[in-house]
Amino acid sequence: DTGVSQNPRHKITKRGQNVTFRCDPISEHNRLYWYRQTLGQGPEFLTYFQNEAQLEKSRLLSDRFSAERPKGSFSTLEIQRTEQGDSAMYLCASSKQTVNEQFFGPGTRLTVL
Amino acid sequence: KQEVTQIPAALSVPEGENLVLNCSFTDSAIYNLQWFRQDPGKGLTSLLLIQSSQREQTSGRLNASLDKSSGRSTLYIAASQPGDSATYLCACLTQGGSEKLVFGKGTKLTVNP
Repeated sequence: DTGVSQNPRHKITKRGQNVTFRCDPISEHNRLYWYRQTLGQGPEFLTYFQNEAQLEKSRLLSDRFSAERPKGSFSTLEIQRTEQGDSAMYLCASSKQTVNEQFFGPGTRLTVL
Repeated sequence: KQEVTQIPAALSVPEGENLVLNCSFTDSAIYNLQWFRQDPGKGLTSLLLIQSSQREQTSGRLNASLDKSSGRSTLYIAASQPGDSATYLCACLTQGGSEKLVFGKGTKLTVNP
């Protein structure tokens, strides 16, 4: 039984570079969520997919952020022209549509220098 | 707009003590409430899920209660152990069409041997 996996676990980049993160949900889960967490805060919702459809986006998801979930399996989150304020832990979660219990991955820690 | 508050922000107890963590939410129209554990630099581990129709859930030494009318939930930890040291987060899934979890900032628990 594999849980939610995320890659890479850590990413250090320079300001202005583009970065992409990957999330592989639990296999039978059709819902996938992205959250962002900064130090000392709870996670904040970014976006959510049901199968391949992106159904909800937060105002936090500026036009520099884009997320995809082709074929309703894994998902990618891309940040273009990174800024220092993008430094955070990016968390992915998945759930079944019928049971709204969200299971989280280990996260990707992004540091923008 | 749902807001979740957790008090206290930090708690230090001696090993063996029973303890209660508090979570309050402003909008009582919730689908469910989840309690999570987060170790430093790690992702979130789901501990308990309480559906809106339930009053409590138990798992081992953990018991979570829900009082929707007062907008409160508590997480009771019996016979605390040093391995319980972590940050505990509660999160609500609110009715109204959004699938996002709204998190509190967490309570950092330290159990001293």
